[in-house]
Amino acid sequence: NAGVTQTPKFQVLKTGQSMTLQCAQDMNHEYMSWYRQDPGMGLRLIHYSVGAGITDQGEVPNGYNVSRSTTEDFPLRLLSAAPSQTSVYFCASSPVTYQPQHFGDGTRLSIL
Amino acid sequence: TQLLEQSPQFLSIQEGENLTVYCNSSSVFSSLQWYRQEPGEGPVLLVTVVTGGEVKKLKRLTFQFGDARKDSSLHITAAQPGDTGLYLCAGHTAGKSTFGDGTTLTVKP
Repeated sequence: NAGVTQTPKFQVLKTGQSMTLQCAQDMNHEYMSWYRQDPGMGLRLIHYSVGAGITDQGEVPNGYNVSRSTTEDFPLRLLSAAPSQTSVYFCASSPVTYQPQHFGDGTRLSIL
Repeated sequence: TQLLEQSPQFLSIQEGENLTVYCNSSSVFSSLQWYRQEPGEGPVLLVTVVTGGEVKKLKRLTFQFGDARKDSSLHITAAQPGDTGLYLCAGHTAGKSTFGDGTTLTVKP
């Protein structure tokens, strides 16, 4: 059972580039979410989804887009990367509640 | 914005000592979770508390949710080097989650 899988694990971008961070879960969980974690800080919620076709904004949504076409996948898109988006990004899932239960191992993103 | 304050921010102790970390807020949460995170990995859920005054035990770890559901504590008895990590609390209400900034625990052998 793979749980929550995030790809890539590391990425370096130039300012202005776009990219998609992938997140997949094989537990048939309805709730999925994206967080960013900056040094010395906790996790901040970017976007979340309560099921296929339903997404909503979290605490820090600006500069990011999400979609949820299937239960399994919840990609996060950076539209035009900025140095302020340098961070570690975590995807999480839960079976029924808004409380994240399973996290992926993160994508470490650097924007130059 | 709901804030969760964790204290202490850093804690370094010897193997065998006891410790308590705290998670405080001025907001009421419907539930609260504690996670442990190791370097290079995602957080791992330790416990969820939902009832004011609730106490849960997980081996040497004891978790308590405050009566007013605004605060929580994590107590570790006889800490071991394997307990080293970043401990995060997260409060949840109205479909949103708020994480504290974490307590970095180092247990020296």
